[in-house]
Amino acid sequence: AQSVAQPEDQVNVAEGNPLTVKCTYSVSGNPYLFWYVQYPNRGLQFLLKYITGDNLVKGSYGFEAEFNKSQTSFHLKKPSALVSDSALYFCAVRPRTSGTYKYIFGTGTRLKVLA
Amino acid sequence: DTAVSQTPKYLVTQMGNDKSIKCEQNLGHDTMYWYKQDSKKFLKIMFSYNNKELIINETVPNRFSPKSPDKAHLNLHINSLELGDSAVYFCASSGPGLAGDEQFFGPGTRLTVL
Repeated sequence: AQSVAQPEDQVNVAEGNPLTVKCTYSVSGNPYLFWYVQYPNRGLQFLLKYITGDNLVKGSYGFEAEFNKSQTSFHLKKPSALVSDSALYFCAVRPRTSGTYKYIFGTGTRLKVLA
Repeated sequence: DTAVSQTPKYLVTQMGNDKSIKCEQNLGHDTMYWYKQDSKKFLKIMFSYNNKELIINETVPNRFSPKSPDKAHLNLHINSLELGDSAVYFCASSGPGLAGDEQFFGPGTRLTVL
């Protein structure tokens, strides 16, 4: 079965420190990969995506993600965390198969940045 | 201009009632979705329409019925509401997916069944 794993329910990091939120997937082929952020009482917002090319993808708010094909991972990173980055982060994949519209979401990781 | 809008934002109702949630997108997208987010924040896809055609229909009780009158609208009607239906429901839309289009989400509708 196709799945996306976010192994950490919560990640705590001090403000100014680098952060990593992990994501691995089990989807055949080379799926499209996404990260979304959800602030309290809001809908999900797109952060970044990997389609092809450079394994390091840059996105909104200074976030970036590293694609690793051999490890089927797409970890979200930021060099210096801000308190305002505290939110719920979702990794998602979408198979490249023509006619496939389904996005498979991970269970989410709560990021807490401590002042 | 809000890209994906949902109404109402909050919905409080009694068990057994029937209710509807409306969604509209002004992005010109062909595909729209309904998701349910439970109290643990897990996101579960329910339905998807592409050009008004139902393309994803997950294991959802048939009390839930989506309707897409046109490409820009996807409504969700729920019959005989149950306590377990309490959740936040998100509408989303996406482009044709030829280049890995991301989804755009609405602000959510918080449904509370008493």
